[in-house]
Amino acid sequence: EPEVTQTPSHQVTQMGQEVILRCVPISNHLYFYWYRQILGQKVEFLVSFYNNEISEKSEIFDDQFSVERPDGSNFTLKIRSTKLEDSAMYFCASSDGRAPEAFFGQGTRLTVV
Amino acid sequence: RKEVEQDPGPFNVPEGATVAFNCTYSNSASQSFFWYRQDCRKEPKLLMSVYSSGNEDGRFTAQLNRASQYISLLIRDSKLSDSATYLCVVNAASYKLIFGSGTRLLVRP
Repeated sequence: EPEVTQTPSHQVTQMGQEVILRCVPISNHLYFYWYRQILGQKVEFLVSFYNNEISEKSEIFDDQFSVERPDGSNFTLKIRSTKLEDSAMYFCASSDGRAPEAFFGQGTRLTVV
Repeated sequence: RKEVEQDPGPFNVPEGATVAFNCTYSNSASQSFFWYRQDCRKEPKLLMSVYSSGNEDGRFTAQLNRASQYISLLIRDSKLSDSATYLCVVNAASYKLIFGSGTRLLVRP
């Protein structure tokens, strides 16, 4: 069964450092997303990406965040200068565009110290 | 008002029990509705889509009431493996998914 894969599974970084979270969406999917979940809280939408550009972003997705699809398979989330409050589980997801349900990767746990 | 509201639980039920979860959403323009399941510290996994006519998948039945902006999930014959957090999810015109905070289910032997 095709799946979304994310690397790394856990990243520890110092406050102020840049991090890049990586994702390989399901191969025939056209829409890509990043969501985050702070421990004990709900899953929150960050950004959606279609046709090589951002289609929608939330208030959380400020100038510190960026996304990129550097090649035909990877989809990345960059946080330029991490803050303590960026500590969360970050989920990548993808959908085929025919229906809005998305399939999620196993997540990257980001810990900012 | 929260966009998607769920009773956080936990619902603690014996194996074999029937349990029902409810969810309300605030945006009347919402078009698609889902139940996802999330195990502790894992990713959300699609359990089922919810259609206006109601739909069933094995032991799971989902219902949608657009007039009341209300979604339900019924689990029959609960198994130990059903223990998880059940997430009510909606989306409006875009492909953005809006998650509820989840209802935790504990199925005991």
